[in-house]
Amino acid sequence: DTGVSQDPRHKITKRGQNVTFRCDPISEHNRLYWYRQTLGQGPEFLTYFQNEAQLEKSRLLSDRFSAERPKGSFSTLEIQRTEQGDSAMYLCASSLSGLAGVDTQYFGPGTRLTVL
Amino acid sequence: SQQGEEDPQALSIQEGENATMNCSYKTSINNLQWYRQNSGRGLVHLILIRSNEREKHSGRLRVTLDTSKKSSSLLITASRAADTASYFCATALNTGGFKTIFGAGTRLFVKA
Repeated sequence: DTGVSQDPRHKITKRGQNVTFRCDPISEHNRLYWYRQTLGQGPEFLTYFQNEAQLEKSRLLSDRFSAERPKGSFSTLEIQRTEQGDSAMYLCASSLSGLAGVDTQYFGPGTRLTVL
Repeated sequence: SQQGEEDPQALSIQEGENATMNCSYKTSINNLQWYRQNSGRGLVHLILIRSNEREKHSGRLRVTLDTSKKSSSLLITASRAADTASYFCATALNTGGFKTIFGAGTRLFVKA
């Protein structure tokens, strides 16, 4: 399968612990996005990368959240000192830059985080 | 906060009927996209319409965009039970970047 993959698919942690998620985009895609989705809502934009550069971050991304894409390929999203409000599905998407204003994103299956 | 708002929040129809979902947004956009999400396949891109386009078709899907009203509609014709899913509109903001904002979605249930 050459789609976007995410690991782990499920994570249960205790409040205060740190967690890290990984996203492997489609191999030739240079853009990578992170979103958070809670039940009954649409995905909320967190951040995106073009190659290894993090170009935009949402205000939702507090200082407990950090994302990296060190070699312009896979990306990690770390949440430090998790809180119960962090419980959500974390989605990764990738895209290939093309025509101006056109950016079709392909989504991974997500990592479901539960903070107890 | 979400940029787009879908209407209705939920829709239940019989197989074979058409389903229409609407999306409104607030700021200037580069393009608008519709995605489908179900538990089996995650978020799947359906169709994209650029800000200078007014209508687009893809199979049983028809999307319209009215930038003066900041609204879009998605029509699914001859619906099937397999179309049961949540449908989201997503707008790429005209800010020079590629930040994409999703609405809260319309939950479509197609009864066989």
